[in-house]
Amino acid sequence: GAGVSQSPRYKVAKRGQDVALRCDPISGHVSLFWYQQALGQGPEFLTYFQNEAQLDKSGLPSDRFFAERPEGSVSTLKIQRTQQEDSAVYLCASCIRSNTEAFFGQGTRLTVV
Amino acid sequence: AQSVSQHNHHVILSEAASLELGCNYSYGGTVNLFWYVQYPGQHLQLLLKYFSGDPLVKGIKGFEAEFIKSKFSFNLRKPSVQWSDTAEYFCAVNANNAGNMLTFGGGTRLMVKP
Repeated sequence: GAGVSQSPRYKVAKRGQDVALRCDPISGHVSLFWYQQALGQGPEFLTYFQNEAQLDKSGLPSDRFFAERPEGSVSTLKIQRTQQEDSAVYLCASCIRSNTEAFFGQGTRLTVV
Repeated sequence: AQSVSQHNHHVILSEAASLELGCNYSYGGTVNLFWYVQYPGQHLQLLLKYFSGDPLVKGIKGFEAEFIKSKFSFNLRKPSVQWSDTAEYFCAVNANNAGNMLTFGGGTRLMVKP
């Protein structure tokens, strides 16, 4: 596709449930990022991949959060044992290479009830 | 670590009014600077960016921003806003020694009254 695609667009999870959020970056983009955007705030960095290598995961808030990009294209952000504070919009972005414009997906809005 | 401040959380303007949104960052080294816009129901889109060179950068839809290094600022301007500029605006910084991550400000929600 022409842009970054994320699925699902909306996810409602019961507290304690595991969720998996998918990101399809723009074809050929080497760099992929995950951000978390809480209501009324700016996006906050979670993790960064260059191809299949996860080069920075310093923003992941706890060990319940895990991200992978096994073949250097599609990425999945997994959240185990979801908590109410995990409710947010999760944004994926990709860049053709380092230090170039980041293109964002529409995000997945996660609501934990 | 770098941080970004956007001082105006909500701005309401009438059409044809001039716009200036403030952005200040805290980082002493070399930075790349960005303004992103998010229209209602849409994804974040790049308005403009500064990497190096002329500190006055022009972006899409008549927006411009000026990098003032001595003030650690990158304010966004538009001489005459339109109703279609109603959106949320985010300033972001990428510090050259911080990998490729962007640090965002909290956003400014702009409403333009027709």
